[in-house]
Amino acid sequence: DAKTTQPPSMDCAEGRAANLPCNHSTISGNEYVYWYRQIHSQGPQYIIHGLKNNETNEMASLIITEDRKSSTLILPHATLRDTAVYYCIVRPSSGNTPLVFGKGTRLSVIA
Amino acid sequence: GAVVSQHPSWVICKSGTSVKIECRSLDFQATTMFWYRQFPKQSLMLMATSNEGSKATYEQGVEKDKFLINHASLTLSTLTVTSAHPEDSSFYICSASSSGLAGREQYFGPGTRLTVT
Repeated sequence: DAKTTQPPSMDCAEGRAANLPCNHSTISGNEYVYWYRQIHSQGPQYIIHGLKNNETNEMASLIITEDRKSSTLILPHATLRDTAVYYCIVRPSSGNTPLVFGKGTRLSVIA
Repeated sequence: GAVVSQHPSWVICKSGTSVKIECRSLDFQATTMFWYRQFPKQSLMLMATSNEGSKATYEQGVEKDKFLINHASLTLSTLTVTSAHPEDSSFYICSASSSGLAGREQYFGPGTRLTVT
């Protein structure tokens, strides 16, 4: 079972920041927060992951609350190509534990 | 990020025949590969986990005799759908992970769309 809760859908204006929330109130101390996205009819694409510190890469920023019970993925300047289903997943980094996908958030970027 | 390929990208087969799907990690050695399937408008469902040189571990409800998984090398895993039926029509996606990846992130292939007629 997915251990995260995400809103089913969100809209964002092109050029604006997209902030995608995720609740993971039962996260364990050794579990990381991973974000992936899936553009229609393609395989999921890795975006970012983190444990407790905020993280940033060329694609996005990940903000994790101090109690680690929730996080927000930020796409700073959304484009039409960012329209996709975004999945927030928690799992341990060690070992070979598979990613378990929930329903994700369908982000629609609007021109 | 690391690159994972799948072949074929789509396949149509007749009911009762078998279909093999290949998953390759192109620029890293994948110690573990995972197979998922996705039905229309649904999320990805994990089918099985395979470690190189070992038998695959199947999720509950997935028939291991129907979905044969081979992970004979660190860069190749295959999924064979045996005696395919129309209800097996789905989008099959593989992913690969490596102990060499610091974050143990999984990288996904582009998927294979199987249609059984």
